[in-house]
Amino acid sequence: DAEITQSPRHKITETGRQVTLACHQTWNHNNMFWYRQDLGHGLRLIHYSYGVQDTNKGEVSDGYSVSRSNTEDLPLTLESAASSQTSVYFCASSESGLNNEQFFGPGTRLTVL
Amino acid sequence: AQKVTQAQTEISVVEKEDVTLDCVYETRDTTYYLFWYKQPPSGELVFLIRRNSFDEQNEISGRYSWNFQKSTSSFNFTITASQVVDSAVYFCALSVYNTDKLIFGTGTRLQVFP
Repeated sequence: DAEITQSPRHKITETGRQVTLACHQTWNHNNMFWYRQDLGHGLRLIHYSYGVQDTNKGEVSDGYSVSRSNTEDLPLTLESAASSQTSVYFCASSESGLNNEQFFGPGTRLTVL
Repeated sequence: AQKVTQAQTEISVVEKEDVTLDCVYETRDTTYYLFWYKQPPSGELVFLIRRNSFDEQNEISGRYSWNFQKSTSSFNFTITASQVVDSAVYFCALSVYNTDKLIFGTGTRLQVFP
């Protein structure tokens, strides 16, 4: 069965460190997204990609970057982790086209101390 | 700018009660899509429904039903005869045509007590 996985599921890091969260999907979807979930804010879009070599900034992109070298993966990098980036991060993917539903990964809980 | 408002932060009901979760959206676009997702205590996000702006027919799926009214910019979700397994956070989301990006509301936590 096709799926979308995220790793690690839990991560504790220190302020100032670089952190990379992995996202891998086997749906063969062109679209991939990263969201963060915080209490009182719902899910907010960080970065997204419509295909290989394509990346775009979302609503809360400062301090984050992504790269898309293949269809299956969209890693999210925190260049210098800050306590404000403590959150739950969700990766999602969808088929190209008319605003199709997004399929979400299980999430990564990141704590920055 | 687009926005989704879920004014109900938390709702508590007793099993078998009907419950309606409200969703109000804002957009100037004429073509858009509305979604509901469920997030159970385990944390994953589960897709429930997608509706485009040209289809105002209400939809029913088992105990779930959705009422889309463009006149009030609302897309409300009703659970009939609620069950404990319905306990979750429910998110309403908006996507403007051809962007594929989701704009989420802040979610409504539903607790169903036995």
